[in-house]
Amino acid sequence: SQQGEEDPQALSIQEGENATMNCSYKTSINNLQWYRQNSGRGLVHLILIRSNEREKHSGRLRVTLDTSKKSSSLLITASRAADTASYFCATGSGTYKYIFGTGTRLKVLA
Amino acid sequence: EAGVVQSPRYKIIEKKQPVAFWCNPISGHNTLYWYRQNLGQGPELLIRYENEEAVDDSQLPKDRFSAERLKGVDSTLKIQPAELGDSAVYLCASSLESADTQYFGPGTRLTVL
Repeated sequence: SQQGEEDPQALSIQEGENATMNCSYKTSINNLQWYRQNSGRGLVHLILIRSNEREKHSGRLRVTLDTSKKSSSLLITASRAADTASYFCATGSGTYKYIFGTGTRLKVLA
Repeated sequence: EAGVVQSPRYKIIEKKQPVAFWCNPISGHNTLYWYRQNLGQGPELLIRYENEEAVDDSQLPKDRFSAERLKGVDSTLKIQPAELGDSAVYLCASSLESADTQYFGPGTRLTVL
C-alpha cells in the first residue's frame, strides 16, 4: 500500500526554473525522506526531515513539512538538466516501516 | 567508503526457476532492507532486518520468497519458483539504525520469461 502520494505525477520545466513537488501522507510519521532516482539507477538520498522539524535545506534543495496537513514539499531551485529524474518521498512511521510514494517524474529541458 | 553492493545487476530466468540476489550493506549498518520496485512505481518493502533478526517481513510472499542475513552483515533474497509477475528491480538498502537515512544499492533487475 502507498502512503506517500507525490503530486504532480510528472513535471516538465525549463532549465533555470524552480521545481516544486508535493507529498501527502495519511498517518502520523516519525520522519520523511526524499529520494532521487535517475533512469535505471538506484535511489539517492536527498534530505531527511523529522516530525519535529518544519524546514530543511541542502544546497539547491528545500524541504518543508507540515504535520497538521500531513504534507511535505520539495523545492529545487535553479534547476539543471542533470536534475531530470524521478523523485520519491518515503514516510517513516513508529515502527520505522518506510512507505514510498509513486514518485514525481521531473524533466528539465535545456 | 563503499556503498551498498548488490549482485547480480541483471538476471534473466525462465519461470519456475529459482533465483537469488545478494547484498552487502555499508560497513557498520545494523539495519538492512529489501525492496521490490515495479516499473513506474515506488519501492515496496519486502523485509527489514535489525542485525540478523527479521523485524518486518509482513510484505514478503513467504510461499516463494525467503531471505536470510547471516551474522548480521550480508543478506540473500531468494525466489523459488519464480513467476512472471516477479519481474521487477530488487533493491537493497542499509542504515545505521532504523530511524536513520537509508542508502540504496544499484538494484538487481529481474526478468522472468
